[in-house]
Amino acid sequence: DVKVTQSSRYLVKRTGEKVFLECVQDMDHENMFWYRQDPGLGLRLIYFSYDVKMKEKGDIPEGYSVSREKKERFSLILESASTNQTSMYLCASSARIQLYEQYFGPGTRLTVT
Amino acid sequence: GQQVMQIPQYQHVQEGEDFTTYCNSSTTLSNIQWYKQRPGGHPVFLIQLVKSGEVKKQKRLTFQFGEAKKNSSLHITATQTTDVGTYFCAGKSASGGSYIPTFGRGTSLIVHP
Repeated sequence: DVKVTQSSRYLVKRTGEKVFLECVQDMDHENMFWYRQDPGLGLRLIYFSYDVKMKEKGDIPEGYSVSREKKERFSLILESASTNQTSMYLCASSARIQLYEQYFGPGTRLTVT
Repeated sequence: GQQVMQIPQYQHVQEGEDFTTYCNSSTTLSNIQWYKQRPGGHPVFLIQLVKSGEVKKQKRLTFQFGEAKKNSSLHITATQTTDVGTYFCAGKSASGGSYIPTFGRGTSLIVHP
């Protein structure tokens, strides 16, 4: 079974702090994704990576950056957290040949106060 | 950009009743995926449809892809309380743009025993 893990289930940070969200997958998947999920808005793609050190912006990249130094790990960085970044953050991965079959992690609920 | 609309947003049913959620795209899709997210959980991949007019079944769940590949539906026969959750579709546009699927906002199914 594919396993996608995220570093924290719940996180509380203050406005202006730098925040790191970590995601690790154990299935040697090439593709990794970061989404945020807000009530009534579904899943919105923040960033996507198709290989180590490769990244592409999604629909809502503003205020976020990412890092993929190793194949199994994809980090989401909030350079200066703001209250409007309070949300559920979901990481996902998929194989190169099955791009569209994404496996999600349990999510990190981030609250910025 | 590509829009994937899902209706209804919420659906209340009595256990044993049928349920259908619809996914409509503003552009022709090359494929569509369906996911289920249980309350407090993360999205789990259910199925992918690729061919025009395709119909796939998983036990009480029936998935259809429209002839024009601009809409899809998920039908659950004789709902059970275990069907509770939010169902998302995700579609990839056939006409260029991002190769990452866009998620609909989901339909939340509430089953009353």
